[in-house]
Amino acid sequence: NAGVTQTPKFQVLKTGQSMTLQCAQDMNHNSMYWYRQDPGMGLRLIYYSASEGTTDKGEVPNGYNVSRLNKREFSLRLESAAPSQTSVYFCASSEVGRQVGANVLTFGAGSRLTVL
Amino acid sequence: AQKITQTQPGMFVQEKEAVTLDCTYDTSDPSYGLFWYKQPSSGEMIFLIYQGSYDQQNATEGRYSLNFQKARKSANLVISASQLGDSAMYFCAMRGQNTNAGKSTFGDGTTLTVKP
Repeated sequence: NAGVTQTPKFQVLKTGQSMTLQCAQDMNHNSMYWYRQDPGMGLRLIYYSASEGTTDKGEVPNGYNVSRLNKREFSLRLESAAPSQTSVYFCASSEVGRQVGANVLTFGAGSRLTVL
Repeated sequence: AQKITQTQPGMFVQEKEAVTLDCTYDTSDPSYGLFWYKQPSSGEMIFLIYQGSYDQQNATEGRYSLNFQKARKSANLVISASQLGDSAMYFCAMRGQNTNAGKSTFGDGTTLTVKP
């Protein structure tokens, strides 16, 4: 069972270049998320998708766009990369509900992005 | 809005001893969930334990327990009988059920080092 798969694991970009981080989950979860983790800080929510066909901004959306392609896939795009976007990016998914264990995030392995 | 505060950037514990990692929170949602995640040096995020705001009893999962004090807005993680493999970064997180549904907010984390 793969869980949450994100690619690429590592990427180096020059300022101004664009790229897309891909994420796919095979747990039939409705909700998917993109977080970034900077050194010494916790995870900050960039965008999330509560269900297929919807996306919403999180805490730090500037400079990013997302696409919820279908229930399984949620991509994050940097249109014009900046050094401030150097970070580790995590994709996650969850079910949503009030039952015990709902809303637990299952994370991908992370993508380390460096913008020069 | 919701906020998580972890005031201990780093903690040390002797192997086989118990340790408490502090977490305080603030939220406008009357119903919410509190989570702890572990991030080893390899970088993946691992779910440890969950506490619902209306749960009458403190959550326990093996050697992990959550000391939930709703009036004080605290959700401390207690690890009993520490093992060398517990050395990692630990994140407290919360998610509201209403206003902040879909948005899991993380603290800045506590780095735990277990000494042999």
